[in-house]
Amino acid sequence: EDQVTQSPEALRLQEGESSSLNCSYTVSGLRGLFWYRQDPGKGPEFLFTLYSAGEEKEKERLKATLTKKESFLHITAPKPEDSATYLCAVQDRDSNSGYALNFGKGTSLLVTP
Amino acid sequence: DTGVSQDPRHKITKRGQNVTFRCDPISEHNRLYWYRQTLGQGPEFLTYFQNEAQLEKSRLLSDRFSAERPKGSFSTLEIQRTEQGDSAMYLCASSPTRDGRSSYNEQFFGPGTRLTVL
Repeated sequence: EDQVTQSPEALRLQEGESSSLNCSYTVSGLRGLFWYRQDPGKGPEFLFTLYSAGEEKEKERLKATLTKKESFLHITAPKPEDSATYLCAVQDRDSNSGYALNFGKGTSLLVTP
Repeated sequence: DTGVSQDPRHKITKRGQNVTFRCDPISEHNRLYWYRQTLGQGPEFLTYFQNEAQLEKSRLLSDRFSAERPKGSFSTLEIQRTEQGDSAMYLCASSPTRDGRSSYNEQFFGPGTRLTVL
């Protein structure tokens, strides 16, 4: 069965203090790995899709990387507005739900001034 | 705003009542998904449509749940005889199908409908 594990569950950073969030996954055949940001009471906001090991994508202070077993979301010099829950999800092309996103529980990030 | 919209945003109901939620996907997105999210958890897949055809259903979708997408446009999710365990955020997402890369698509989520069953 597909599994997605995110760590840490919660992370508190000072403004400007860079760090990384981890997403470990187990799938039969990776169709895609997705990162989303979710603010309280709102729907997830799409950030990145990664398709194959070695791929990297960047957007402002965020950079996502992918290996065969895990993905990292690097946050460089975060600002308080980066505070949110970051969700990782995978699509497994070999599963019955080939297009469903299988999410982890998320990492709750708090950036203090 | 051309994003995914959901209605209502909040619904409070009593146990045993039926509720129906609506989702309007991004225009021309032919795939539509329903997810459920409880506090502290990631969204869980419920069901998926390609145009008007319901192609996948999770085992989470009990016989009290039914979803439709008439004419391949908006979708509705109905829960009959609601239970307290149905309290959750119900999220709708849509995605396009791209020629040659139909498997590689981003899902764009709506704001969700928060259901509280008393």
